[in-house]
Amino acid sequence: DQQVKQNSPSLSVQEGRISILNCDYTNSMFDYFLWYKKYPAEGPTFLISISSIKDKNEDGRFTVFLNKSAKHLSLHIVPSQPGDSAVYFCAASVQYGGATNKLIFGTGTLLAVQP
Amino acid sequence: SQTIHQWPATLVQPVGSPLSLECTVEGTSNPNLYWYRQAAGRGLQLLFYSIGIGQISSEVPQNLSASRPQDRQFILSSKKLLLSDSGFYLCAWSKGVWAFFGQGTRLTVV
Repeated sequence: DQQVKQNSPSLSVQEGRISILNCDYTNSMFDYFLWYKKYPAEGPTFLISISSIKDKNEDGRFTVFLNKSAKHLSLHIVPSQPGDSAVYFCAASVQYGGATNKLIFGTGTLLAVQP
Repeated sequence: SQTIHQWPATLVQPVGSPLSLECTVEGTSNPNLYWYRQAAGRGLQLLFYSIGIGQISSEVPQNLSASRPQDRQFILSSKKLLLSDSGFYLCAWSKGVWAFFGQGTRLTVV
Protein backbone atom coordinates (compact mmCIF):
# COMPACT_ATOMS: atom_id res chain seq x y z
CA ASP A 1 0.00 0.00 0.00
CA GLN A 2 1.76 3.11 -1.25
CA GLN A 3 0.75 5.86 1.17
CA VAL A 4 2.86 8.52 -0.53
CA LYS A 5 2.84 8.67 -4.30
CA GLN A 6 4.87 10.58 -6.80
CA ASN A 7 3.28 9.74 -10.11
CA SER A 8 5.81 11.47 -12.33
CA PRO A 9 9.07 9.53 -12.42
CA SER A 10 10.82 12.33 -14.30
CA LEU A 11 10.50 15.99 -15.23
CA SER A 12 12.52 18.13 -17.63
CA VAL A 13 12.55 21.92 -17.32
CA GLN A 14 14.47 24.76 -18.96
CA GLU A 15 16.82 26.79 -16.82
CA GLY A 16 15.10 29.85 -15.41
CA ARG A 17 11.62 28.33 -15.64
CA ILE A 18 9.47 26.97 -12.84
CA SER A 19 9.76 23.32 -11.77
CA ILE A 20 6.66 21.82 -10.16
CA LEU A 21 6.96 18.45 -8.48
CA ASN A 22 3.83 16.76 -7.23
CA CYS A 23 3.02 14.32 -4.46
CA ASP A 24 -0.20 12.66 -3.30
CA TYR A 25 -0.88 10.90 -0.02
CA THR A 26 -3.60 8.75 1.45
CA ASN A 27 -3.14 8.89 5.24
CA SER A 28 -4.89 11.77 7.03
CA MET A 29 -2.74 11.16 10.12
CA PHE A 30 0.43 12.55 8.54
CA ASP A 31 1.45 15.62 10.53
CA TYR A 32 4.41 16.89 8.51
CA PHE A 33 5.44 16.70 4.90
CA LEU A 34 9.00 17.02 3.71
CA TRP A 35 10.94 17.21 0.49
CA TYR A 36 14.37 15.69 0.12
CA LYS A 37 16.85 16.09 -2.69
CA LYS A 38 19.14 13.25 -3.69
CA TYR A 39 22.16 13.11 -5.96
CA PRO A 40 23.40 9.74 -7.29
CA ALA A 41 25.39 7.66 -4.81
CA GLU A 42 24.65 10.09 -1.97
CA GLY A 43 22.18 10.19 0.88
CA PRO A 44 19.11 12.42 0.58
CA THR A 45 19.38 15.92 2.00
CA PHE A 46 16.52 17.77 3.60
CA LEU A 47 15.14 20.60 1.49
CA ILE A 48 11.93 22.02 2.93
CA SER A 49 8.99 20.93 5.05
CA ILE A 50 5.44 21.94 5.87
CA SER A 51 3.22 21.26 8.82
CA SER A 52 -0.19 19.76 8.14
CA ILE A 53 -1.77 22.87 9.67
CA LYS A 54 -0.22 25.14 7.05
CA ASP A 55 -0.91 25.45 3.35
CA LYS A 56 2.31 27.10 2.20
CA ASN A 57 5.93 27.35 3.23
CA GLU A 58 8.57 29.28 1.35
CA ASP A 59 12.36 29.18 1.56
CA GLY A 60 14.22 31.12 -1.09
CA ARG A 61 13.57 29.59 -4.48
CA PHE A 62 11.63 26.70 -2.95
CA THR A 63 7.95 26.79 -2.01
CA VAL A 64 5.85 23.88 -0.83
CA PHE A 65 2.06 24.00 -1.12
CA LEU A 66 -0.27 21.69 0.77
CA ASN A 67 -3.88 20.99 -0.22
CA LYS A 68 -5.29 18.87 2.57
CA SER A 69 -8.70 18.38 1.03
CA ALA A 70 -7.08 16.91 -2.06
CA LYS A 71 -4.34 15.17 -0.07
CA HIS A 72 -1.86 16.73 -2.42
CA LEU A 73 1.35 18.70 -2.05
CA SER A 74 3.69 20.25 -4.52
CA LEU A 75 7.18 21.69 -4.57
CA HIS A 76 7.83 24.75 -6.72
CA ILE A 77 11.35 25.74 -7.67
CA VAL A 78 11.67 29.21 -9.20
CA PRO A 79 13.86 29.90 -11.05
CA SER A 80 15.17 26.44 -11.82
CA GLN A 81 18.94 26.04 -12.08
CA PRO A 82 21.04 23.22 -13.57
CA GLY A 83 22.33 22.43 -10.07
CA ASP A 84 18.77 21.56 -9.08
CA SER A 85 18.97 18.45 -11.26
CA ALA A 86 18.50 15.54 -8.86
CA VAL A 87 15.91 13.07 -7.62
CA TYR A 88 13.33 14.71 -5.36
CA PHE A 89 11.57 12.61 -2.74
CA CYS A 90 8.36 13.59 -1.07
CA ALA A 91 8.03 12.23 2.49
CA ALA A 92 5.30 12.24 5.09
CA SER A 93 5.81 12.01 8.81
CA VAL A 94 3.56 10.08 11.14
CA GLN A 95 3.75 9.69 14.91
CA TYR A 96 4.43 6.15 15.91
CA GLY A 97 4.00 4.86 19.43
CA GLY A 98 3.93 8.38 20.87
CA ALA A 99 7.69 8.85 21.02
CA THR A 100 8.81 8.31 17.49
CA ASN A 101 7.95 9.56 14.10
CA LYS A 102 8.75 7.76 10.93
CA LEU A 103 9.02 9.04 7.41
CA ILE A 104 7.17 7.40 4.56
CA PHE A 105 8.77 8.22 1.22
CA GLY A 106 7.43 8.42 -2.28
CA THR A 107 9.21 6.82 -5.22
CA GLY A 108 10.92 10.03 -6.28
CA THR A 109 10.91 12.31 -9.32
CA LEU A 110 14.04 12.84 -11.37
CA LEU A 111 14.31 16.53 -12.24
CA ALA A 112 16.52 17.53 -15.14
CA VAL A 113 17.09 21.25 -15.60
CA GLN A 114 18.35 21.97 -19.09
CA PRO A 115 20.78 24.88 -19.52
CA SER B 1 26.99 19.72 15.17
CA GLN B 2 25.61 16.29 14.45
CA THR B 3 27.18 13.98 11.90
CA ILE B 4 26.32 10.53 10.67
CA HIS B 5 28.84 8.05 9.32
CA GLN B 6 28.01 5.02 7.29
CA TRP B 7 30.38 2.47 5.83
CA PRO B 8 31.44 0.96 3.57
CA ALA B 9 30.39 3.16 0.65
CA THR B 10 30.44 0.28 -1.82
CA LEU B 11 30.26 -3.46 -1.30
CA VAL B 12 30.16 -6.43 -3.65
CA GLN B 13 29.26 -9.69 -1.97
CA PRO B 14 28.54 -13.20 -3.29
CA VAL B 15 25.18 -14.83 -2.77
CA GLY B 16 25.07 -16.69 0.53
CA SER B 17 27.73 -14.57 2.22
CA PRO B 18 27.07 -12.59 5.43
CA LEU B 19 26.58 -8.84 5.62
CA SER B 20 27.38 -6.20 8.19
CA LEU B 21 26.82 -2.50 7.55
CA GLU B 22 27.59 -0.04 10.30
CA CYS B 23 26.26 3.40 11.06
CA THR B 24 27.30 5.78 13.82
CA VAL B 25 25.99 9.17 14.83
CA GLU B 26 27.98 11.88 16.58
CA GLY B 27 26.94 15.04 18.33
CA THR B 28 23.63 13.89 19.75
CA SER B 29 22.32 11.41 22.29
CA ASN B 30 19.44 8.95 22.16
CA PRO B 31 18.57 9.58 18.53
CA ASN B 32 15.98 7.60 16.63
CA LEU B 33 17.86 5.52 14.06
CA TYR B 34 16.63 4.12 10.77
CA TRP B 35 17.72 1.84 7.96
CA TYR B 36 16.24 2.50 4.53
CA ARG B 37 16.80 0.76 1.22
CA GLN B 38 16.47 2.19 -2.25
CA ALA B 39 16.15 -0.62 -4.77
CA ALA B 40 16.70 0.16 -8.44
CA GLY B 41 13.86 2.37 -9.72
CA ARG B 42 12.11 2.36 -6.37
CA GLY B 43 11.59 4.83 -3.57
CA LEU B 44 13.07 4.72 -0.12
CA GLN B 45 11.71 1.80 1.84
CA LEU B 46 11.95 1.84 5.63
CA LEU B 47 13.48 -1.44 6.80
CA PHE B 48 14.11 -0.94 10.53
CA TYR B 49 13.89 1.77 13.12
CA SER B 50 15.10 2.02 16.69
CA ILE B 51 14.17 4.35 19.53
CA GLY B 52 16.82 3.08 21.92
CA ILE B 53 19.52 0.53 22.68
CA GLY B 54 18.31 -2.96 21.91
CA GLN B 55 14.94 -1.70 20.68
CA ILE B 56 14.43 -2.60 17.03
CA SER B 57 11.25 -2.54 14.99
CA SER B 58 11.06 -4.19 11.62
CA GLU B 59 8.87 -2.72 8.93
CA VAL B 60 8.97 -5.45 6.33
CA PRO B 61 9.71 -9.17 6.49
CA GLN B 62 13.02 -9.86 4.85
CA ASN B 63 16.38 -11.52 4.90
CA LEU B 64 17.95 -8.77 7.00
CA SER B 65 18.21 -7.92 10.69
CA ALA B 66 19.28 -4.87 12.64
CA SER B 67 20.89 -4.31 16.01
CA ARG B 68 21.67 -1.31 18.18
CA PRO B 69 24.42 -2.31 20.60
CA GLN B 70 25.19 1.27 21.64
CA ASP B 71 23.19 4.48 21.78
CA ARG B 72 24.64 5.91 18.58
CA GLN B 73 25.46 2.74 16.67
CA PHE B 74 23.12 0.93 14.31
CA ILE B 75 24.08 -2.22 12.42
CA LEU B 76 22.37 -3.91 9.50
CA SER B 77 23.15 -7.61 9.07
CA SER B 78 22.36 -10.69 7.11
CA LYS B 79 23.49 -14.27 7.62
CA LYS B 80 23.12 -15.20 3.94
CA LEU B 81 22.68 -12.61 1.23
CA LEU B 82 20.24 -13.06 -1.64
CA LEU B 83 20.44 -11.46 -5.08
CA SER B 84 17.34 -9.45 -4.19
CA ASP B 85 19.23 -7.79 -1.32
CA SER B 86 21.11 -5.64 -3.81
CA GLY B 87 20.37 -1.95 -3.46
CA PHE B 88 21.39 1.32 -1.92
CA TYR B 89 21.20 1.23 1.89
CA LEU B 90 20.81 4.38 3.88
CA CYS B 91 21.13 4.99 7.58
CA ALA B 92 19.35 7.98 9.08
CA TRP B 93 18.85 9.62 12.44
CA SER B 94 16.23 11.96 13.84
CA LYS B 95 15.15 13.58 17.09
CA GLY B 96 11.94 14.98 15.71
CA VAL B 97 10.25 15.20 12.38
CA TRP B 98 13.34 15.71 10.26
CA ALA B 99 15.60 12.82 9.42
CA PHE B 100 19.23 13.19 8.37
CA PHE B 101 20.86 10.61 6.18
CA GLY B 102 24.27 9.08 5.81
CA GLN B 103 26.02 8.84 2.48
CA GLY B 104 24.70 5.36 1.79
CA THR B 105 26.15 1.97 0.91
CA ARG B 106 25.80 0.53 -2.57
CA LEU B 107 25.46 -3.23 -2.10
CA THR B 108 25.70 -5.52 -5.09
CA VAL B 109 25.07 -9.19 -4.51
CA VAL B 110 26.57 -11.35 -7.26
